[in-house]
Amino acid sequence: ETGVTQTPRHLVMGMTNKKSLKCEQHLGHNAMYWYKQSAKKPLELMFVYNFKEQTENNSVPSRFSPECPNSSHLFLHLHTLQPEDSALYLCASSQERGRGGEQFFGPGTRLTVL
Amino acid sequence: AQSVAQPEDQVNVAEGNPLTVKCTYSVSGNPYLFWYVQYPNRGLQFLLKYITGDNLVKGSYGFEAEFNKSQTSFHLKKPSALVSDSALYFCAVSGDNYGQNFVFGPGTRLSVLP
Repeated sequence: ETGVTQTPRHLVMGMTNKKSLKCEQHLGHNAMYWYKQSAKKPLELMFVYNFKEQTENNSVPSRFSPECPNSSHLFLHLHTLQPEDSALYLCASSQERGRGGEQFFGPGTRLTVL
Repeated sequence: AQSVAQPEDQVNVAEGNPLTVKCTYSVSGNPYLFWYVQYPNRGLQFLLKYITGDNLVKGSYGFEAEFNKSQTSFHLKKPSALVSDSALYFCAVSGDNYGQNFVFGPGTRLSVLP
């Protein structure tokens, strides 16, 4: 892929489970993003981190909790999800937020909530 | 606020023929424009971008795009389509005002028929 890795690639969880998605970028970038991609819907920006600080939360339900311990790692903690949260979750990174640089995407985690 | 339109959900083209995938945008300030491609079960791959300069931008895999400021368009083109070009294509825009995020279009599915 592109220097952005995501684990796991597939995840099936029940509505009462707690799980975490991990993203790591090896590109020396300073901005990281979580997107949700659902069938038949546009790509939805969820969270943005710039230099480890969260700069955007696009009205995402609190059952999704992001964490960015350093510029290379980004997590998305999941708890008490709903079936409609089933989607492909994509992580991306860029040199810096909003400076015209392209974003590089990981392969995604396919999440299924039962 | 930024927005992106991709007026065609689906584009079909015969192998060897030229292809065009359309994109129009709205943004405050000067636009930064991007094209991405997504293959099944994969993340988005960067194809090309327009920041400033020459209106015709060349990118990966023989793709190019033409920026037209008066028509606020950024159509993706390729002179001779390959079956392997079949994928989902996304146009994205951000503005040159600091901190603007990407906004992605809904995507256009390209099918190249042998």
